[in-house]
Amino acid sequence: QKEVEQNSGPLSVPEGAIASLNCTYSDRGSQSFFWYRQYSGKSPELIMFIYSNGDKEDGRFTAQLNKASQYVSLLIRDSQPSDSATYLCAVKANYGQNFVFGPGTRLSVLP
Amino acid sequence: EAGVAQSPRYKIIEKRQSVAFWCNPISGHATLYWYQQILGQGPKLLIQFQNNGVVDDSQLPKDRFSAERLKGVDSTLKIQPAKLEDSAVYLCASSPITGENEKLFFGSGTQLSVL
Repeated sequence: QKEVEQNSGPLSVPEGAIASLNCTYSDRGSQSFFWYRQYSGKSPELIMFIYSNGDKEDGRFTAQLNKASQYVSLLIRDSQPSDSATYLCAVKANYGQNFVFGPGTRLSVLP
Repeated sequence: EAGVAQSPRYKIIEKRQSVAFWCNPISGHATLYWYQQILGQGPKLLIQFQNNGVVDDSQLPKDRFSAERLKGVDSTLKIQPAKLEDSAVYLCASSPITGENEKLFFGSGTQLSVL
């Protein structure tokens, strides 16, 4: 059973702080890693993807991947109240394999 | 570019009734997925189509759920008969390619309440 685990939260951070969201996965064959943001009552929205070990930065978001540790994280710098949402980690193995989603971490950015 | 379209947005039915959801993917997207998202959980795959063929339906409860994508474009997911535990958001997603570099784009979902 391929599993993706996340702390359910809520993770509360003050406005302007760095929010750190973590995800671990069980399938060593996973090749692609995604972070989706889901506002309450809305559908998931892709915000970051990463394929190689290391860091990938996009604006205030940084995704970090460590395949040896089977760990992927998302850092949100200068957190804003509008970042308050549930963040879903998803992983995908090779061709033909499906996306497996974690349960999500609820982030609350306090003004 | 238009996104993934889903309807209805909300549906309330009683247990043992039937219900159908519709999805129209982004134009040109060959791969279409149906996911079930129970409150507080991540999306769980029900079925994956590549054009009009089924790629993976291993997690679809086939005794009550069915799905089709006859012309390789829009798709319908049906539940018959519904159970209380089917209350969830049903998300449709599409992707322009499969394999490496594949990314999912989600529709707004259908929120189903079974009473």
